[in-house]
Amino acid sequence: EAQVTQNPRYLITVTGKKLTVTCSQNMNHEYMSWYRQDPGLGLRQIYYSMNVEVTDKGDVPEGYKVSRKEKRNFPLILESPSPNQTSLYFCASSFWDRKNTEAFFGQGTRLTVV
Amino acid sequence: GESVGLHLPTLSVQEGDNSIINCAYSNSASDYFIWYKQESGKGPQFIIDIRSNMDKRQGQRVTVLLNKTVKHLSLQIAATQPGDSAVYFCAEKSGTGRRALTFGSGTRLQVQP
Repeated sequence: EAQVTQNPRYLITVTGKKLTVTCSQNMNHEYMSWYRQDPGLGLRQIYYSMNVEVTDKGDVPEGYKVSRKEKRNFPLILESPSPNQTSLYFCASSFWDRKNTEAFFGQGTRLTVV
Repeated sequence: GESVGLHLPTLSVQEGDNSIINCAYSNSASDYFIWYKQESGKGPQFIIDIRSNMDKRQGQRVTVLLNKTVKHLSLQIAATQPGDSAVYFCAEKSGTGRRALTFGSGTRLQVQP
């Protein structure tokens, strides 16, 4: 089954404690992204990757890091989480194609930073 | 910066009626406009898209209309069903640069039995 898998689904952590949210896709997609979803703001792109070892900032990258060592995996790293990073996070993947508008999203990770 | 927004945060319709969800956009340079559906507890799911040089596109029970003159996008759902209850996002995509999807804030569709 074609899918994007995120882990964990729920996470409560304390300020400053480093964490990683994993993302894996099995569709051989080149393009992968991380979004955060906050009430009234829709989804905002944090970081994206056009292919292995190619990553770049999205609209709200502050406080986040990513890596793309393998095509299927795109982990999101919060080196020192803060309460304003409490949010619902989604990983998405798609083909790197001008015409491709269909992104596949994971189930989401609800993060609470206290 | 450019933005994609929505007129109504919540839309309530009766089962069997047609639904119309509206969206205003401001980036005239976008190549595609897209609708996503997000059910409770799930990630957004692609519904339908329309290229910027078109004004109408139909899918299964859904129709997307694009009015470039007033920068308006709408999603029409025919014979709305309980399974259509969800949050609907319009999004736009440019074919150049980072080709990110820029999402609006969403409209919640509630289908009353």
